[in-house]
Amino acid sequence: DAGVIQSPRHEVTEMGQEVTLRCKPISGHDYLFWYRQTMMRGLELLIYFNNNVPIDDSGMPEDRFSAKMPNASFSTLKIQPSEPRDSAVYFCASRRQGEAFFGQGTRLTVV
Amino acid sequence: AQSVSQHNHHVILSEAASLELGCNYSYGGTVNLFWYVQYPGQHLQLLLKYFSGDPLVKGIKGFEAEFIKSKFSFNLRKPSVQWSDTAEYFCAVNARNNNDMRFGAGTRLTVKP
Repeated sequence: DAGVIQSPRHEVTEMGQEVTLRCKPISGHDYLFWYRQTMMRGLELLIYFNNNVPIDDSGMPEDRFSAKMPNASFSTLKIQPSEPRDSAVYFCASRRQGEAFFGQGTRLTVV
Repeated sequence: AQSVSQHNHHVILSEAASLELGCNYSYGGTVNLFWYVQYPGQHLQLLLKYFSGDPLVKGIKGFEAEFIKSKFSFNLRKPSVQWSDTAEYFCAVNARNNNDMRFGAGTRLTVKP
C-alpha cells in the first residue's frame, strides 16, 4: 500500500482565497483524522471520521473550515476564506485498529 | 476528551547520553498509548505503542517506554542517543471508549555530535 496520500504537498495562496486539501487514506482503514501542526499550538486534532461519518469536529477552529468524506477513499479539508493565521502544516492520518498512519502533510502558506 | 502533557519542550543532549522524555495523560479509563517521531521535514512515524500486557514496551531504534498506570505516565527512554535521533517526539493517547487520538505538544530533541 502506498500509505496515506495527501495533496498538494505545498500550497501558497492569497488571503481570502479558498483552499482545498485532499487526502486518500490507506485502503481498509475506517478512521480518518485531520490534524494541524504549528509552532505555537503543536499538533491539533481538527476533525475525525468513522466510516465516512464525521464523529467529532470540535477541533475545527471556526466556520471557515469544513471537511468532507464522500467515500471511504477520499476526504477534503476546505478553508474558505483563508487567512494568514491558517498557515500551518495539515496532516491527514488513517487507522483501522492500533496506530494511526500519517500522510506527508500539506504545508499551507496564506499571504 | 483525554489530554496529553509533555513536560520537556526542547532537550539538548550529547551523543551517547541517556534520554528520558516525559508524557502524562489525563483520562480515567482504559487507554492505548503511542510515541511517534517526526524527523525534520517529514511526517510522523510510529516509534512504539502500548495496548496491554507488559508495561515496558520496546520499539524501533533502541527506544522503549514504560506505562505506569498509577502515575498516568508513559515516558520514553533510550540508553544512548545518536545524532540521527535529532527529531521531534510526540506522545499520543487513544481512549478505548472513543477513537480519536490526542497528541502532546511534542518535545524537540537535539543531539550534538
